[in-house]
Amino acid sequence: EDQVTQSPEALRLQEGESSSLNCSYTVSGLRGLFWYRQDPGKGPEFLFTLYSAGEEKEKERLKATLTKKESFLHITAPKPEDSATYLCAVQTVSGSARQLTFGSGTQLTVLP
Amino acid sequence: GAGVSQSPSNKVTEKGKDVELRCDPISGHTALYWYRQSLGQGLEFLIYFQGNSAPDKSGLPSDRFSAERTGGSVSTLTIQRTQQEDSAVYLCASSHPGFNEQFFGPGTRLTVL
Repeated sequence: EDQVTQSPEALRLQEGESSSLNCSYTVSGLRGLFWYRQDPGKGPEFLFTLYSAGEEKEKERLKATLTKKESFLHITAPKPEDSATYLCAVQTVSGSARQLTFGSGTQLTVLP
Repeated sequence: GAGVSQSPSNKVTEKGKDVELRCDPISGHTALYWYRQSLGQGLEFLIYFQGNSAPDKSGLPSDRFSAERTGGSVSTLTIQRTQQEDSAVYLCASSHPGFNEQFFGPGTRLTVL
């Protein structure tokens, strides 16, 4: 069974204090790993897709990296507006549905 | 362009009643997904539509749940004889042919009293 585990569950940072969120996964065959941001009361907002170990993607203060067992979302010099829940999800090669299997998320709070 | 839209945004119903939730995917997106997000739980896959193919219903939790997609566009998720454990946010997502990224709507918050 595909499993996605995110850590920590919650993270509080001071503005400008860089850190990383972890997503470890166990799947039969990885098609892609996805990062989403979710603000309270809203649907997940797509951030990145990673397909193979060693791949990196960047967007503003965020950088996502991928290994064969885990992915990291690095946040550099965060701002209060980066506060949100960050979700990691995997899509596997098995089955036809191509549904995403999500982790439980990391709730990030950036204090001014 | 417009994103995925869902209606209603909030629905309060009594236990035992039927409810219908609607999803309008992004124009041109042939794949459509329904997920459920319960308090303190991760997103849980429910059902998948791809073009005119038969839907993948492998995530539906019981036979009280059903969904249809008309004309390859709008989808309706129906929950019959609602139970309190059905209370959750129901999210719809769509994706473009040949791409894996799924784009989500704002969700419908369902509360069963």
